[in-house]
Amino acid sequence: DIQMTQSPSSLSASVGDRVTITCRASQSISSYLNWYQQKPGKAPKLLIYAASSLQSGVPSRFSGSGSGTDFTLTISSLQPEDFATYYCQQSYSTPRVTFGPGTKVDIK
Amino acid sequence: EVQLVESGGGLVQPGGSLRLSCAASGFTFSSYWMHWVRQAPGKGLVWVSRINSDGSSTSYADSVKGRFTISRDNAKNTLYLQMNSLRAEDTAVYYCAREPAVWWLRGAFDIWGQGTMVTVSS
Repeated sequence: DIQMTQSPSSLSASVGDRVTITCRASQSISSYLNWYQQKPGKAPKLLIYAASSLQSGVPSRFSGSGSGTDFTLTISSLQPEDFATYYCQQSYSTPRVTFGPGTKVDIK
Repeated sequence: EVQLVESGGGLVQPGGSLRLSCAASGFTFSSYWMHWVRQAPGKGLVWVSRINSDGSSTSYADSVKGRFTISRDNAKNTLYLQMNSLRAEDTAVYYCAREPAVWWLRGAFDIWGQGTMVTVSS
């Protein structure tokens, strides 16, 4: 299976900060990389697909980049509703997709 | 409104069985591949199983192969997960999720249910 890692595992930030989360795959996955946001007690929500495409309805402050093995999720100006856990997911080996361990973003 | 609603979770003893259901509404259920994803308490997301649109093809994670069975009833717009020989490590929230029927969203999950909790304990 393709292994996914994320860094950092958690971070503290303030409203208005620029936040960057990194995701790395154990082998090249081209651009088959998706990002999800999950709030406590809720289901994950798709933010970014195919590494850099914004899912419909997702604010433009979210962006993604990368290809091959290294990817980033950037929140350009953190808003109060963005405090959550973020997961990357590789879909290169679908249906056997795998998720990263998550990055928790909380309030500084 | 596009919606997935899971049911059927609960407390079960090790070695027991449980069947989860996921009712779909607001979209043409029979056109989409569907998945189950689970999340143990305080842990990350783990893919469990997938079924294609007409139910003719299924896939499973190694950890559940031979114990879990995914199925669907397109006439009832419902996805199922039959779980047998349950173990403590199967304890998790189980989500059903939709995979979009377009190539650029391959393997992504655009709609999720609210989840149903399964607890395996004596």
